[in-house]
Amino acid sequence: GQQVMQIPQYQHVQEGEDFTTYCNSSTTLSNIQWYKQRPGGHPVFLIQLVKSGEVKKQKRLTFQFGEAKKNSSLHITATQTTDVGTYFCAGRLTMSNDMRFGAGTRLTVKP
Amino acid sequence: DTGVSQNPRHKITKRGQNVTFRCDPISEHNRLYWYRQTLGQGPEFLTYFQNEAQLEKSRLLSDRFSAERPKGSFSTLEIQRTEQGDSAMYLCASSFADFSRGPTGELFFGEGSRLTVL
Repeated sequence: GQQVMQIPQYQHVQEGEDFTTYCNSSTTLSNIQWYKQRPGGHPVFLIQLVKSGEVKKQKRLTFQFGEAKKNSSLHITATQTTDVGTYFCAGRLTMSNDMRFGAGTRLTVKP
Repeated sequence: DTGVSQNPRHKITKRGQNVTFRCDPISEHNRLYWYRQTLGQGPEFLTYFQNEAQLEKSRLLSDRFSAERPKGSFSTLEIQRTEQGDSAMYLCASSFADFSRGPTGELFFGEGSRLTVL
């Protein structure tokens, strides 16, 4: 089963509003990756975080990795209709080489 | 096209039949992953290869599932005696792991093979 938990499951926002999705693991992660999957598409890599407390930005997207390397968040400022899709976090557990995905947060944006 | 290629894209089969999916990864990638995804869920890890070696396999994976990567290039995933619960999208992903630089590289996914078991 999923070892990486993600909330919320769904988020519906008005265009221009902000959006945040959270990812939590019961065990320490070596790294965390974020992916976006458009409806009918396949997951596409957004970013990887490796260091404790790391923060990375991509235009309107801000990614954080927790100090304990057990949680992460993705924040989108001023959402646009092009942001629609499902956002997944994927974590690599220590002592493992596979990436475990969360269940995803499905974002819909009303114009 | 130099991306990850999967075929067939769609497969409809009757319960009890065997099916095989093929994945051609990006040529310079040394790691290959198989995931299964059902509607509304994230990709569920099945197994992964580093070159031709199968290094990890999900404990949840039935013995009916087997995967190979004989020459460290393409991979096949076979499901024997399919059941209706096997209906899902089967995703293949590849990555390049540079051991000198540490953690897993980004995963490049294929378009997936959708299996429907009647």
